[in-house]
Amino acid sequence: AQKVTQAQTEISVVEKEDVTLDCVYETRDTTYYLFWYKQPPSGELVFLIRRNSFDEQNEISGRYSWNFQKSTSSFNFTITASQVVDSAVYFCALSEDTGRRALTFGSGTRLQVQP
Amino acid sequence: GAVVSQHPSRVICKSGTSVKIECRSLDFQATTMFWYRQFPKKSLMLMATSNEGSKATYEQGVEKDKFLINHASLTLSTLTVTSAHPEDSSFYICSARDMDRGPYNEQFFGPGTRLTVL
Repeated sequence: AQKVTQAQTEISVVEKEDVTLDCVYETRDTTYYLFWYKQPPSGELVFLIRRNSFDEQNEISGRYSWNFQKSTSSFNFTITASQVVDSAVYFCALSEDTGRRALTFGSGTRLQVQP
Repeated sequence: GAVVSQHPSRVICKSGTSVKIECRSLDFQATTMFWYRQFPKKSLMLMATSNEGSKATYEQGVEKDKFLINHASLTLSTLTVTSAHPEDSSFYICSARDMDRGPYNEQFFGPGTRLTVL
C-alpha cells in the first residue's frame, strides 16, 4: 500500500525567509507520480508540480524548487524568500501507475508566513 | 484548459435530507472521476472512484448506500449524500482525469463543496 508522510504539521516563518517542506513516501510500484498541491483558505487545491519516478531532476519555478531523492524516497519542496501570500496548507501526494490511480495525500503542512 | 466545476459550492441542510453534489469537467472528457472528503484541518481522503458507465468503487469504510455516486456521462459525476446527518458535514472535493493526457495520472480538482448538516 502506498503512503505519504509529511512530518511537519505547521511551520511559521517570517517573510523573506526560505522554508522547506518535507515529504516522504512509500510505494511498491516502480512507476509512480508525485505531486505537490497548495490549498489556500478558500479550499481550492492549486496544482504546483508533478514528477514521475523516472525523472529525478530537480526543478525550479520562480521561488519554488523541488528536490526528488529516490534513494531516500523523499520529494521536498522549498520556497525561497517566502511571502505572506504563500501562507496555505501544502499537500504532497502520490499516485501509482496501476489500479485506480487515485491520489494518496500526506497529512499536509500548514505554512504561516508572518509579515 | 482542464477546468472542473462543482455545484453547489456550499450547502446547508437539515438532518435527514439528501444532498446532491455535481462535478463537471468543462473542457475535457473524463472517464474517471474521484471523490474525496476533507474534515477540518485534515487531509483529503479518497471516498470512491467513479467510472463512466459503471458502478463506482468505494474505499473501505465508505458506505455505498450513504454516498451514492453516478457517472452518467464523460463530463458529469454526481455524489448524493442520503439522509445526511451532522457527522456528514465536511468539505467534498471531486477530481477528474483527462483521458487525453497520457500516463501522467494528473487529476484536475474542482473547487470543493462545503456541506453543513444541522
